Amino acid sequence: KNEVEQSPQNLTAQEGEFITINCSYSVGISALHWLQQHPGGGIVSLFMLSSGKKKHGRLIATINIQEKHSSLHITASHPRDSAVYICAVKGGRDTDKLIFGTGTRLQVFP
Amino acid sequence: NAGVTQTPKFRILKIGQSMTLQCTQDMNHNYMYWYRQDPGMGLKLIYYSVGAGITDKGEVPNGYNVSRSTTEDFPLRLELAAPSQTSVYFCASSYLDSSYNEQFFGPGTRLTVL
Repeated sequence: KNEVEQSPQNLTAQEGEFITINCSYSVGISALHWLQQHPGGGIVSLFMLSSGKKKHGRLIATINIQEKHSSLHITASHPRDSAVYICAVKGGRDTDKLIFGTGTRLQVFP
Repeated sequence: NAGVTQTPKFRILKIGQSMTLQCTQDMNHNYMYWYRQDPGMGLKLIYYSVGAGITDKGEVPNGYNVSRSTTEDFPLRLELAAPSQTSVYFCASSYLDSSYNEQFFGPGTRLTVL
């Protein structure tokens, strides 16, 4: 079993829908990252969080440390949100290694 | 700032050839990383560096070498290319530990070994 599991693997939505992507992990962590990989391949960091909730525009990330679970929400989804969303966790002990999930591929149709 | 730059963008190698993937960052970041991304798999760490002169192995270091002679540059060397090294390679950097700092990624190098 992977240490970082994302669900769903693939997600399609109509423009305007509320999107939720989930990430569960099995190791102790010091931080969790959400990343976006564009269709062209570029990767950008969206959030880094270790507790609670963060919001940036239409994106919201939450984390529940006790349940080892994080969610990424997209409100009022738009076709430009179509991308692969990747969850990665930073373990507490290793020097600086992120463990990555396999990603959730989101397609938003107009 | 250009951020993290990688060259080349694409490369085709024959089995047994060698090449160096270049990575440069202009953000004065201490930490730099090399990842590979295979279809359907999460990013895997090849090597990383916490500062000039210091490098360490990641999850999948076999077949690769790195050096970090300056803060800015972190080249990845493939000595004897094998088909299993066909992948997309990403270089990334962060100011300090990823517990407190986001990683910035380069645009990637798509490598095919035939």
